[in-house]
Amino acid sequence: EVQLVESGGVVVQPGGSLRLSCAASGFTFDDYAIHWVRQPPGKGLEWVSLIGWNGGSTYYADSVKGRFTISRDNSKNSLYLQMNSLRPEDTALYYCARDRGIRLYKYDMEVWGKGTTVTVSS
Amino acid sequence: QSALTQPASVSGSPGQSITISCTGTNSDIGGYNSVSWYQQHPGKAPKLMIYDVTNRPSGVSYRFSGSKSGNTASLTISGLQAEDEADYYCSSYTSRSTLVFGGGTNVTVL
Repeated sequence: EVQLVESGGVVVQPGGSLRLSCAASGFTFDDYAIHWVRQPPGKGLEWVSLIGWNGGSTYYADSVKGRFTISRDNSKNSLYLQMNSLRPEDTALYYCARDRGIRLYKYDMEVWGKGTTVTVSS
Repeated sequence: QSALTQPASVSGSPGQSITISCTGTNSDIGGYNSVSWYQQHPGKAPKLMIYDVTNRPSGVSYRFSGSKSGNTASLTISGLQAEDEADYYCSSYTSRSTLVFGGGTNVTVL
C-alpha cells in the first residue's frame, strides 16, 4: 500500500525549533518529488515547500523561506522539515504529499499523509 | 504570492450542476496549464480530483470536470450527490516555481 506517515508535531514556544518527519512506503521513494502543505485550524491549504527526487532542488513559500529547510534521506525513505524561528501563525496541520510526476515536477499531489499537528504557543 | 480567489461557498440540489471558479493572474493560472483541484472532507486529507486543468486521476468520477479561460479556472460537478459535500481547493504552478492554493470553497448539497 502506498503510504505517507508524518510525525514530530508538538506544542512549541514562539521562536523555537522543530523537525517534522514523513515516512514513505509502498513506492519507489527516490522517483518522486515530495511537498509539505499545511492547514491552520479551520482554514485553507497553504503550500510550504517542495524537494526534488534526489534532494538537489528545493523550493519554499515566501512565508517560510529562510526559516524552514526541507530535506530527504532516500536511503531511509524519509522526508524532513526543519522549522526554526517558529511563529504563532505557523500553527497548523502539516501534510506531506507526493508529487504526481515520476522524476518530473508536476506540482500536484496524488498521495497524502494524514498530517501532524504543530502548535506554536507560549 | 497571494492565494487564488475562490467563492467561499456554493450550493446546489441533488442532481444539479454547480461550478466553482478560481481566479489568479498571468503569473499562475493564466501562464500555465498546471491547475489542479482537491476535495477535502472534514477531518480527512485532501484528494486530487483534477490535474493539468482538465484531467481526472483514475477512480475520480466523470461527474467532475475542469476548464480554464484566461486567468480563471473552473471546476464543475454535474449530477450533484450528497457525498460531494466537502471543501474544494484549486491550486496552480507559479512563475516562481512555487505552488499557490485558492482559499477554498465549501460545497453544500441542499
